[in-house]
Amino acid sequence: AQKVTQAQTEISVVEKEDVTLDCVYETRDTTYYLFWYKQPPSGELVFLIRRNSFDEQNEISGRYSWNFQKSTSSFNFTITASQVVDSAVYFCALSEAIGSGGGADGLTFGKGTHLIIQP
Amino acid sequence: DVKVTQSSRYLVKRTGEKVFLECVQDMDHENMFWYRQDPGLGLRLIYFSYDVKMKEKGDIPEGYSVSREKKERFSLILESASTNQTSMYLCASSRGTSEQETQYFGPGTRLLVL
Repeated sequence: AQKVTQAQTEISVVEKEDVTLDCVYETRDTTYYLFWYKQPPSGELVFLIRRNSFDEQNEISGRYSWNFQKSTSSFNFTITASQVVDSAVYFCALSEAIGSGGGADGLTFGKGTHLIIQP
Repeated sequence: DVKVTQSSRYLVKRTGEKVFLECVQDMDHENMFWYRQDPGLGLRLIYFSYDVKMKEKGDIPEGYSVSREKKERFSLILESASTNQTSMYLCASSRGTSEQETQYFGPGTRLLVL
């Protein structure tokens, strides 16, 4: 069974600090996909990134970067020079490839990390 | 842009009522999903559908049913609402072809069952 662990329940930092959100996953499949979503106070989950298990290159998008390491089953998310607008709950999620469970499949989510950026 | 809409942002219902939560997507996506979100538990999959009139149980289907009569619409039904179904309900859709696709979420419906 697949599992996603976000050990940090809540993180609070002062604006402009860098912050890393941890994500550790478990799966028996060799082909899988990892995601990060942001949930601002409005409630809607906003897609940030999708990674497949064969692509271990780190990704950078503006102030956001992601570090995928298969050796440690981790997919960590770093925000550089944090801003108040980054305050949200962030979810890491895992999905196995279609075919392993037959047809479409839901995501397995971590419990989320509540990030508070103080001005 | 993908657009997933949910019929209500907030709902208040009484125990025993039949409740319909509607979700519509405008991107011709094959797959649609219903999750519920509870504090400390994260998001959990209730049901999903990979085609019209097709449905599959997720991790917590008990007390729920679904309907997908048209490709763009996926309804979640609480046959007899109970207080433990008070939660945030999130609908999602994905294109779904030969590889796992990104799921896009609606704004959510906060349901309170009294």
